[in-house]
Parts: sequence; C-alpha cells; structure tokens
Amino acid sequence: EPEVTQTPSHQVTQMGQEVILRCVPISNHLYFYWYRQILGQKVEFLVSFYNNEISEKSEIFDDQFSVERPDGSNFTLKIRSTKLEDSAMYFCASSATAPQDTEAFFGQGTRLTVV
Amino acid sequence: GNSVTQMEGPVTLSEEAFLTINCTYTATGYPSLFWYVQYPGEGLQLLLKATKADDKGSNKGFEATYRKETTSFHLEKGSVQVSDSAVYFCALVYTGRRALTFGSGTRLQVQP
Repeated sequence: EPEVTQTPSHQVTQMGQEVILRCVPISNHLYFYWYRQILGQKVEFLVSFYNNEISEKSEIFDDQFSVERPDGSNFTLKIRSTKLEDSAMYFCASSATAPQDTEAFFGQGTRLTVV
Repeated sequence: GNSVTQMEGPVTLSEEAFLTINCTYTATGYPSLFWYVQYPGEGLQLLLKATKADDKGSNKGFEATYRKETTSFHLEKGSVQVSDSAVYFCALVYTGRRALTFGSGTRLQVQP
C-alpha cells in the first residue's frame, strides 16, 4: 500500500540552527501539506503546496519557514532559525485532489526537539 | 474562526463496550467533516467522512452522522476491541480550502 514517508523520525537541533524536514509523498499525488502538533495541543495546519507553489498557509507559517519540492519525489520543510517553541511533531501529508474530495494521507511524523 | 472541539481523554473502556466520542464544530457555511485515527507509532489515517448535512460516514464498525442543527459529528462504535486503542481526531475542511482544522484528539484505551 502506498504511504507517505518522513525522515528523520526524530531530530534534535540547537536553537538558531537551520533544520530541514523531509517527506516523500505518494507518487501520483498533486497536493502536499505540512502540519504540526506541539505536545499536548492540536494538530495545526502550516502550509499546502500545489503546482509548485504555496496554495494556502497559516499565520504560523512565517518567514522562518519555507517549503520546496526540489525534485519529482521529495517535499521539504525548512525552518531557517529554530526557536524553542518550534519543538513539535511535524506531519507531512499528500492527497490526489483537494482534501474534501479525496483522502489526505499522512506520514508518521518527525519529532523536532529544539534545545 | 473555524474550530473543532472534542471531548477530553483518555477514554478507557472494556472490550465490547459502546463508544461515543463527542465532536462539535463552529464554522460558517457547510464544511466537510472527518474522523482521523492515529495508532501507536503511525501517522494519521482517515477513518470516515461526511460531506453534507445528515450524511452518515462509516468504516470498520465506526459511524458518525453530520448534524447541522447541533453542529456535531460524534463518533460511535457499538462494540470496541483492544485493537481500537488509538487517538481519534475530528476535523473539518471547507470546499475550496486546503487546510484541515483538527480537534485536539481523544485517546481511547480499550482493556481486555
């Protein structure tokens, strides 16, 4: 069964460092997303990406964040200068069409710990 | 803004007990509603969905009915199993939007 894969499963980084979280979406999907979940809080939308550009983003997704699809398979989230409050589980997801029409498939998540 | 409220967990049940996890939402218009499940060590998986009022989503013995009048989408199962132990998330999305809005999740623990 096709699945979304994320690497690494756990990343520890020092405050102020840049970090890149990687995702391989399902191969024939066209819509890509990043969500995050701070421990004990809700899963929050960060950004969606379609046709090689950001189609929607939340207020959390400020200038410190960027996304990229550098090749035909990877989808990355970069945090330019990490803060302690960026510590969270980050989920990548993909869907064939818009999420209200088809299922969004989620990866297992990357736990980011900023120290 | 849009929001989803779920009952706090953990919910602890014995095997074969009846399950209800409450979910209510505040939103303008008519969103699509979802239940996602996260088993230990795995990503979120779509469990069921409903796209308009009075629709009933169902899967694996779970059901939820889209109630516009009470803005609710409660998850039910008649007889839970140990394998149903997981975290359950209620969520919504609007037509034309990309962002799923999630509730805080409810952990279900089923004991043998």
